[in-house]
Amino acid sequence: DTGVSQNPRHKITKRGQNVTFRCDPISEHNRLYWYRQTLGQGPEFLTYFQNEAQLEKSRLLSDRFSAERPKGSFSTLEIQRTEQGDSAMYLCASSRTGSGTKNIQYFGAGTRLSVL
Amino acid sequence: AQSVTQLDSQVPVFEEAPVELRCNYSSSVSVYLFWYVQYPNQGLQLLLKYLSGSTLVKGINGFEAEFNKSQTSFHLRKPSVHISDTAEYFCAVSEGGYNKLIFGAGTRLAVHP
Repeated sequence: DTGVSQNPRHKITKRGQNVTFRCDPISEHNRLYWYRQTLGQGPEFLTYFQNEAQLEKSRLLSDRFSAERPKGSFSTLEIQRTEQGDSAMYLCASSRTGSGTKNIQYFGAGTRLSVL
Repeated sequence: AQSVTQLDSQVPVFEEAPVELRCNYSSSVSVYLFWYVQYPNQGLQLLLKYLSGSTLVKGINGFEAEFNKSQTSFHLRKPSVHISDTAEYFCAVSEGGYNKLIFGAGTRLAVHP
């Protein structure tokens, strides 16, 4: 496995601009998760996909946020009209489906967003 | 609702000393429990997990944790720490069979020479 890959690693944007992040999961992992981590806090769940279907969205995911996973492979997370409160580390994780060790989540290095 | 409480936000310790990082959780159903480590500007790396079976689980880098169902705890321990163990440690829980992770706020372990 090559690991979960996230791009870009860092993104600086001005308030009001749109940004898009990409996550490439471990191959053959059919579940993909997005989390947000603010300074000094643990990651908070945003949403997850099983294959191409988005199965759950957190209340944290306002209507300015949208995530897609076309064809069940890579995923994108878009934030429209960014606000300073969106500044955070956005983490992606992937796992297999199944019980026990199959559904352990493996995390990427994250995309750090700074909204000026 | 599930929640995770990490009782110490920071733990300073001298090199080669033992350490325990505390974690308590709340859940009404059976859970899976995890400890992850995060080094600066990096993602999360799995240290160890409890899914079922033996309540004492061993992980990477000499860490171990014990699941205590009656006390709803999953404390992380290491008998002798190294400078390289300096990092942020996160306890996480997921309800059995459904693996959205709920994380604690983290414990910053600072190992001093």
